[in-house]
Amino acid sequence: AQTVTQSQPEMSVQEAETVTLSCTYDTSESDYYLFWYKQPPSRQMILVIRQEAYKQQNATENRFSVNFQKAAKSFSLKISDSQLGDAAMYFCAYRRTQGGSEKLVFGKGTKLTVNP
Amino acid sequence: GAGVSQTPSNKVTEKGKYVELRCDPISGHTALYWYRQSLGQGPEFLIYFQGTGAADDSGLPNDRFFAVRPEGSVSTLKIQRTERGDSAVYLCASSLRVGPGSTGELFFGEGSRLTVL
Repeated sequence: AQTVTQSQPEMSVQEAETVTLSCTYDTSESDYYLFWYKQPPSRQMILVIRQEAYKQQNATENRFSVNFQKAAKSFSLKISDSQLGDAAMYFCAYRRTQGGSEKLVFGKGTKLTVNP
Repeated sequence: GAGVSQTPSNKVTEKGKYVELRCDPISGHTALYWYRQSLGQGPEFLIYFQGTGAADDSGLPNDRFFAVRPEGSVSTLKIQRTERGDSAVYLCASSLRVGPGSTGELFFGEGSRLTVL
């Protein structure tokens, strides 16, 4: 079974600075998707960024980028120019590409605090 | 609707009671998922619907939990004889399509917080 591990229960960053959130996963599949979701106090999970395992190029969405290391099974999220609105829980998630229910497997999350 | 809608937002019940949680997915989304998020944890998969049928219910913890989606749109998660350990946020998500080529993006509701006293 696939597992996702987020080793940082909490992280903090100064406004305008850069922070990196870590995620590792375990799978025997060769093709899959990886995601970072943000969960503010409203509880709604919001997709931040998505990476397809067959693509070597790291995904980027504005201030958010990932460092995808397939061999190491590592998928970290970098937030540049941090803003107060970035404060939230961040969850790393895995999804296989074929077969099964295509359910997401989530890590336990990292609570990000942004200090003004 | 514009997004995934879940009702009630909060539900407090007593141990042993029956509870229903409702999810109204984004119009046209054929795939619907239920997840359970306990305090301090990430969401855990419960059940997945493709259309009206439950394609994967492997995450349901026991036979007290049941979900339906009779017309392929709204889904109801039903919990019988609730226990204190059932207290959690129950998240619903929907997706436009699944299968090869699907991007896998799920759109989530704001969840229903269930508290069992």
